[in-house]
Amino acid sequence: GAGVSQTPSNKVTEKGKYVELRCDPISGHTALYWYRQSLGQGPEFLIYFQGTGAADDSGLPNDRFFAVRPEGSVSTLKIQRTERGDSAVYLCASRVTVNTEAFFGQGTRLTVV
Amino acid sequence: QKEVEQNSGPLSVPEGAIASLNCTYSDRVSQSFFWYRQYSGKSPELIMSIYSNGDKEDGRFTAQLNKASQYVSLLIRDSQPSDSATYLCAVKSANTDKLIFGTGTRLQVFP
Repeated sequence: GAGVSQTPSNKVTEKGKYVELRCDPISGHTALYWYRQSLGQGPEFLIYFQGTGAADDSGLPNDRFFAVRPEGSVSTLKIQRTERGDSAVYLCASRVTVNTEAFFGQGTRLTVV
Repeated sequence: QKEVEQNSGPLSVPEGAIASLNCTYSDRVSQSFFWYRQYSGKSPELIMSIYSNGDKEDGRFTAQLNKASQYVSLLIRDSQPSDSATYLCAVKSANTDKLIFGTGTRLQVFP
């Protein structure tokens, strides 16, 4: 595609519900990152994929958060038992390989009420 | 100590002036440094990358890196109101491929 695509752009969910956020990276980009950005803060690293495998998931805050990339392209970030503190903009970025520019998607704004 | 530190600002400069944005980092083995610009409600976009000590110029932007002092800066010459945004410093360690971001500095350029 022309850029990194994230869906939905906005998601409102009730506390305790399960949500899935989707990221469709630029075609051919092998590296994919998920970040979370709260108001007034910089992007906070969550997880990084190289191909299908999670190369570094040290940023996932707890076991309610999980991400997959089964075919090495589209990735889904899954959040179980959502909490109000999970409300943020979730950003996805992709790059061709390491040490090349990372391009960000427009993000998914998650609001937990 | 945060891994990447920036002054949150706002930094206010008049149109045509030089804006100087600073960033310090804690990981001595960091090897790649990036400046991203983020307009309100938008996603970050890369404006400069720098990998070795010294200056790197690209149009009105100059990135400066001093690994001994663990310091990286961004200079914006002839600042324009359209430069008003939050500038994020990002650092990649030699030991990992993840980018660590600072909290960003909000720049305001007034006419």
